[in-house]
Amino acid sequence: EVQLVESGGGLVQPGGSLRLSCAASGFTFSSNWMSWVRQAPGKGLEWVANIKEDGSAKYYVDSVKGRFTISRDNAKNSLYLQMNSLRAEDTAVYYCARGVDWGQGTVVTVSS
Amino acid sequence: DIQLTQSPSFLSASVGDRVTITCRASEGISSYLVWYQQKPGKAPKYLIYAASTLQSGVPSRFSGSGSGTEFTLTISSLQPEDFATYYCQHLNSLFGPGTKVDIK
Repeated sequence: EVQLVESGGGLVQPGGSLRLSCAASGFTFSSNWMSWVRQAPGKGLEWVANIKEDGSAKYYVDSVKGRFTISRDNAKNSLYLQMNSLRAEDTAVYYCARGVDWGQGTVVTVSS
Repeated sequence: DIQLTQSPSFLSASVGDRVTITCRASEGISSYLVWYQQKPGKAPKYLIYAASTLQSGVPSRFSGSGSGTEFTLTISSLQPEDFATYYCQHLNSLFGPGTKVDIK
């Protein structure tokens, strides 16, 4: 059974940092592009970043470029999202996804 | 940059209705389009990939078509469990704004 389990969300002040993690199991993690997708309260889905199978290519939505970094550890079957300089508009549920499979999401709230 | 639009943004329909949702790309994207269904408080569900290929386990009342810049998702006979929001997505990145299907 495929599982994607996100962790690391929480409440953080504007300007702060968080690191999200996603533990993957049930499929060959190292053979899949992986993505982070977020959904602000009451809003639609927004793709945030994705990373190639071997980590050699990474892409970001313009609004997070220079602030967020996606990475992966294929030995640990894990995906990460380092989020710095957080803003109120980054408040959302963050999902780890490989297209056909999604995690349950982790909530990030940026507020003072 | 490629943009995706969806129409309508909201539709009200009855059980048994045929429903069609359109996704348009600002430039040609071949068949690199996926459709998702999302219900409140849940992660999206993968319905259709490569514009027209039904994901395993998805009911056959769902179908997708199109290529280039215009794509459609059709539900041939709307069922109670189909009331949800539908999103198109291009190449594991950009999403359309969504279409909410509500009960008339």
